[in-house]
Amino acid sequence: GQSLEQPSEVTAVEGAIVQINCTYQTSGFYGLSWYQQHDGGAPTFLSYNALDGLEETGRFSSFLSRSDSYGYLLLQELQMKDSASYFCAVRVTDSWGKLQFGAGTQVVVTP
Amino acid sequence: NAGVTQTPKFQVLKTGQSMTLQCAQDMNHEYMSWYRQDPGMGLRLIHYSVGAGITDQGEVPNGYNVSRSTTEDFPLRLLSAAPSQTSVYFCASSSFRDRNHEQYFGPGTRLTVT
Repeated sequence: GQSLEQPSEVTAVEGAIVQINCTYQTSGFYGLSWYQQHDGGAPTFLSYNALDGLEETGRFSSFLSRSDSYGYLLLQELQMKDSASYFCAVRVTDSWGKLQFGAGTQVVVTP
Repeated sequence: NAGVTQTPKFQVLKTGQSMTLQCAQDMNHEYMSWYRQDPGMGLRLIHYSVGAGITDQGEVPNGYNVSRSTTEDFPLRLLSAAPSQTSVYFCASSSFRDRNHEQYFGPGTRLTVT
C-alpha cells in the first residue's frame, strides 16, 4: 500500500527550531510538497522538492532524500502564528498535480 | 484576482439528497481538483481535471461526479448524499507553468449529511 508517515503533534516555544519528518512509501515519486493549514482555513503551499537537497524560503526550509524516501520541513525562529497543521504530500505520478497527503502534524507554539 | 472561490461555505443535507458544490478560479489555471478532508486526516483526492473537457478519478471518487466545461469552473456533484460524505471539501487549482506544482486552495465547503 501507499503511506506517508509524519508525527501527529509537535510542541515548541517561541524562537525555537522545529523539524517535521515525513517518510513515504508510494507507488511512484515525482516530488515532495509541504502545505500549512491554520484551523478552519485552506491549505497554503510552503515548498516543493523534486531533487535531493535543501530548499530554503525565509524561516522555512525543506529537505529531501529520495534514496531514503524521507524529507523534512524545518521551521526556524518559531512565532505564535506558526501554530498550525503541516502536511507533506507526494506527487505520486507524472500526471500533473496528483498529490497524496500525509495525515498532518499539528505544531503548537507556546510563549 | 479572487483566486479560488467555493460556494456554499456551509451545507446540511439529508441522506439521499443531491447537490452541487461550486468551484471557480480566475487565474487561468489548467489543473483543477477536488479534495475531501476528514478530522485528523490529510486531504484525499476525489476527482481532478487537466483542462476543459478532461476529467479523471482520484483516490476516493465513488459517489461524486465532476465536469469541466470551461477553464474557470469545476463543479462537484453529490449524487445521493450519505453520512459518510460529511466532510470539508476543498477545491484547488494550479498552473502547468509552475515548476513547483503549487496548488491554490479555495476556502472550503463544510458539508454535513444527516
